[in-house]
Amino acid sequence: GAGVSQTPSNKVTEKGKYVELRCDPISGHTALYWYRQSLGQGPEFLIYFQGTGAADDSGLPNDRFFAVRPEGSVSTLKIQRTERGDSAVYLCASSFRQGSYNEQFFGPGTRLTVL
Amino acid sequence: DQQVKQNSPSLSVQEGRISILNCDYTNSMFDYFLWYKKYPAEGPTFLISISSIKDKNEDGRFTVFLNKSAKHLSLHIVPSQPGDSAVYFCAAQYTDKLIFGTGTRLQVFP
Repeated sequence: GAGVSQTPSNKVTEKGKYVELRCDPISGHTALYWYRQSLGQGPEFLIYFQGTGAADDSGLPNDRFFAVRPEGSVSTLKIQRTERGDSAVYLCASSFRQGSYNEQFFGPGTRLTVL
Repeated sequence: DQQVKQNSPSLSVQEGRISILNCDYTNSMFDYFLWYKKYPAEGPTFLISISSIKDKNEDGRFTVFLNKSAKHLSLHIVPSQPGDSAVYFCAAQYTDKLIFGTGTRLQVFP
């Protein structure tokens, strides 16, 4: 079966531009997560969706970052006025929420480079 | 303030020997701990988990030990194989999110 997919795999943009990163979760997974991994660091939580709504967006670094999941499946992470410090690999994960434990399945990530 | 720490950035082990990867945490409210494995240009892949109410969980060559009093967990891989060479992340689950350590790069040589 298909895993989590993310597009594009690589994105190079200039400082100040707007970017959108897309995530297609595993079919049937109700929970979707975005993480950001900077060089030499572990993935850092950004936002979590349960269905269409953002259940926890406490990890978004500032108001330039926004994410949507309008139909409870595909999600888009949007970054406005990009800065060089936004350069990182953006990872998406999904899970079928079950009980108190949920195994998160990760996509391959989108490598964002802001010049 | 890093809540999950992996103090060894790298580990090199001979094939057939035991690999021990360590992880420390600060928050006693974490309810699950997980280990993920990551190859270059791929997303992390789930390896094994342990509930905070257990002290050991085993799955084939992989065993995770949890010492709650020391706020320490470890992943044992035995016997180690060259295909185990990857970056290993320790993660703690808190509410619905995972908090990751910085990773340990394991290299298994013949």
